[in-house]
Amino acid sequence: GAGVSQTPSNKVTEKGKYVELRCDPISGHTALYWYRQSLGQGPEFLIYFQGTGAADDSGLPNDRFFAVRPEGSVSTLKIQRTERGDSAVYLCASSLTGTSGSSYEQYFGPGTRLTVT
Amino acid sequence: DAKTTQPPSMDCAEGRAANLPCNHSTISGNEYVYWYRQIHSQGPQYIIHGLKNNETNEMASLIITEDRKSSTLILPHATLRDTAVYYCIVRVRRNNDMRFGAGTRLTVKP
Repeated sequence: GAGVSQTPSNKVTEKGKYVELRCDPISGHTALYWYRQSLGQGPEFLIYFQGTGAADDSGLPNDRFFAVRPEGSVSTLKIQRTERGDSAVYLCASSLTGTSGSSYEQYFGPGTRLTVT
Repeated sequence: DAKTTQPPSMDCAEGRAANLPCNHSTISGNEYVYWYRQIHSQGPQYIIHGLKNNETNEMASLIITEDRKSSTLILPHATLRDTAVYYCIVRVRRNNDMRFGAGTRLTVKP
């Protein structure tokens, strides 16, 4: 079946601009995650959604970063007043969630490469 | 979640077994060991996970020591397409984020 998709695959923006990154999770997956990966490092957790609500946003670096998932499916990561340090690959993942609250394996999209000039 | 330690890089000959070690000496009793890999320019891919017992699937085997302080991921017959960064992660299964380290860069050579 279809995996996690992310658009755009590449985004170049100027410092100070606003950007939106989109994630389409696997159909039926109730949990959705955003990660950020800088060159040469492992992915860094940003935020987790269970359904429509952000269950854990402790990884968001500051208030310029915001994410929504209004209908419990597609999610958008929004970055205001972008800075050069925001340049990275932004990864989205989705998973099932068990009735006991256990999380299942996360399936990742290909990522969006954001470059802030 | 417990911290993991992995060698930064390893080489393996094509067709041979690749054995990737991971140290997780502070692992708690309810923490699972997960392995993911990331092929260049792709998102991480789930490989396998385990709690106490050794596990095997179509991709790999996971060997966890009896004291659970370390584990080894085994790719039985490595191919060039297995060249990737391999991440070992330990986490409580109910936790919803994953803490990736720097991983091991495995290079499979012809």
